[in-house]
Amino acid sequence: DGGITQSPKYLFRKEGQNVTLSCEQNLNHDAMYWYRQDPGQGLRLIYYSQIVNDFQKGDIAEGYSVSREKKESFPLTVTSAQKNPTAFYLCASRPNRDGIYGYTFGSGTRLTVV
Amino acid sequence: RKEVEQDPGPFNVPEGATVAFNCTYSNSASQSFFWYRQDCRKEPKLLMSVYSSGNEDGRFTAQLNRASQYISLLIRDSKLSDSATYLCVVTPNFNKFYFGSGTKLNVKP
Repeated sequence: DGGITQSPKYLFRKEGQNVTLSCEQNLNHDAMYWYRQDPGQGLRLIYYSQIVNDFQKGDIAEGYSVSREKKESFPLTVTSAQKNPTAFYLCASRPNRDGIYGYTFGSGTRLTVV
Repeated sequence: RKEVEQDPGPFNVPEGATVAFNCTYSNSASQSFFWYRQDCRKEPKLLMSVYSSGNEDGRFTAQLNRASQYISLLIRDSKLSDSATYLCVVTPNFNKFYFGSGTKLNVKP
């Protein structure tokens, strides 16, 4: 079945450590996105990519980095510069066509700083 | 001003009730609109797109009012399984989708 796979499901990070969250899709979607969700808040866009080898900052990109070397993969690195990384991270994809297509989301990664 | 605003609720309704949520958006150039459903500690899942003429999918009806810049979701004959948080999503272009904070619905037996 086609879908988006995020791993790991739960991740614990020590202070000052960089961690990478994986996102892989086999939907043949061009566009991929990373969102962050905090309790009681809406999703906030971190980074997005509409094509391989190109990506754009979202609204809260500071402290994060991404790469898009393959169409299927869009990993997110949470760096030590991100001051408050504890959150639920969601990866999404959609066809890079007109706006009638909504997102398909992965099942998310819960990151906790310990 | 937030791009998308929703009443956080919770809306507590008995089974079988009809319930409606509204969502307002600030950018009059917004082109596409969606409702997503999110269960506790899960990812959002697309419930339905919202078309200009309004659209229905079973017990769910979505409406768009461009003049007043809001979209609505009506749920008829509520089921226990409808309990979730409903997210309104708006996009002014195809690069960024803006999410509301969600409206929580509790359907009681």
